[in-house]
Formats: sequence, C-alpha cells, structure tokens
Amino acid sequence: SYELTQPPSVSVSAGQTASITCSGDKLGGKYVCWYQQKPGQSPVVVIYKDSKRPSGIPERFSGSNSGNTATLTISGTQAMDEADYFCQAWDSSLGVFGGGTKLTVL
Amino acid sequence: EVQLVESGGGLVQPGGSLRLSCAASGFTFSDHYMDWVRQAQGKGLEWVGRSRNKANTYTTEYAASVKGRLTISRDDSKNFLYLQMNSLKTEDTAMYYCAREGGNGEMDVWGQGTTVTVSS
Repeated sequence: SYELTQPPSVSVSAGQTASITCSGDKLGGKYVCWYQQKPGQSPVVVIYKDSKRPSGIPERFSGSNSGNTATLTISGTQAMDEADYFCQAWDSSLGVFGGGTKLTVL
Repeated sequence: EVQLVESGGGLVQPGGSLRLSCAASGFTFSDHYMDWVRQAQGKGLEWVGRSRNKANTYTTEYAASVKGRLTISRDDSKNFLYLQMNSLKTEDTAMYYCAREGGNGEMDVWGQGTTVTVSS
C-alpha cells in the first residue's frame, strides 16, 4: 500500500519560515493536500491541489510538490500556527494520510 | 452555513456493530463525494472510505483495514451519510469524522466527530 512519510516534529522561531515535508513514491505525480489540526479541533484544509489555498487561509501558507516530496511552507510563522499538520494524497482512488508533523513555534 | 454533524458513536463490545450518521446541511449534498476519516486518541488521521456522488453511481472505496467490515451508504433525499460498522475490533476505537470532498479531492468541510470505543 502507498505510504506518505512526514517528520514527527518541526520547530520554528516566531516570524521565521517553517517547512514541513511529505515523502512518497512518485508523489509529484499526485495532488497533495495539507490539513492543520489544533488540539481538540477537527482538521482544516490549508493547501489543496499541491499549492492552492482555500479562501480564508492566510497567504503565509504555501505548498509545492515535485519528484518524491511535497512541502508545506509557512512564512512568517505565528504562534497561532502551532498545530499538527497532515499531508494527504489519493492513490488508486484510496485516500492516504501522512503520519503527521507537530509544528512547535518557539 | 455549511455543516456536517456526526452522531451514533458509543461503547460497543468486540465483534459488535454500530451505525454512525452524518447529517449534512448548507450545501447540495448529492453533488459531493463524502468520506469517513478516523483518528485514534493521540494518533494521526486514517482514511476509512469514500462514497462517490450520484453522478458516479454512489460507488464506494475502503481502506484495507476496514474492507468487508465497514460499509458506507448515503441517503441524498435526507442529506445523510452513514457508516455501518460490523465485526468491530478494539483497534477500531477512534474519533470518526465525516468530511465533504471539494472538486479536487480535498476534504474541505469536516464534522466535529463522534467517538467509537470498542472494549469488553
């Protein structure tokens, strides 16, 4: 079965740029979504179709996908961005999530 | 307001059954693919399955871990999505979310979740 691999944790200083990676075989050939989940809350999509931002999501969130790696980038990270982030893709019509990355804002 | 509200969770013994419901409102339910996603306490998200829309003949897909035991159905006349859970195992214990798919496969609306505990 298809697997997506994320680092368990990423730390970033407030105001700096955070990058969270998601790796999978030939991932660049699939569309990737990114979800943000804060404690006790349901997930929220922050990036879809590799790099599209839903309405209401701040411009500091961006995404890219090439080769075997997709990346979620948060520019000018704010304390409110501290959360778990999950990548997700479709493989042969089956949904796959990465294991999640806990983003800590120092 | 676009909204999904899950219900039906609870405590069930191993081998038992449960049916979860997801009430949709604020959008044209019949147009959308719908998904179930679960999350064990302190763990990551796990995709459970998907129901395509009427235009795609309501076909379903399931994760290997639940195939043959969990069944997704929907009633477009009532705007409800269901998850019938049979032969439950302790590893099915989780928060279960229903989610709407947008036009590009993204899960753009999520419910608040309902908790299923499988324990003797």
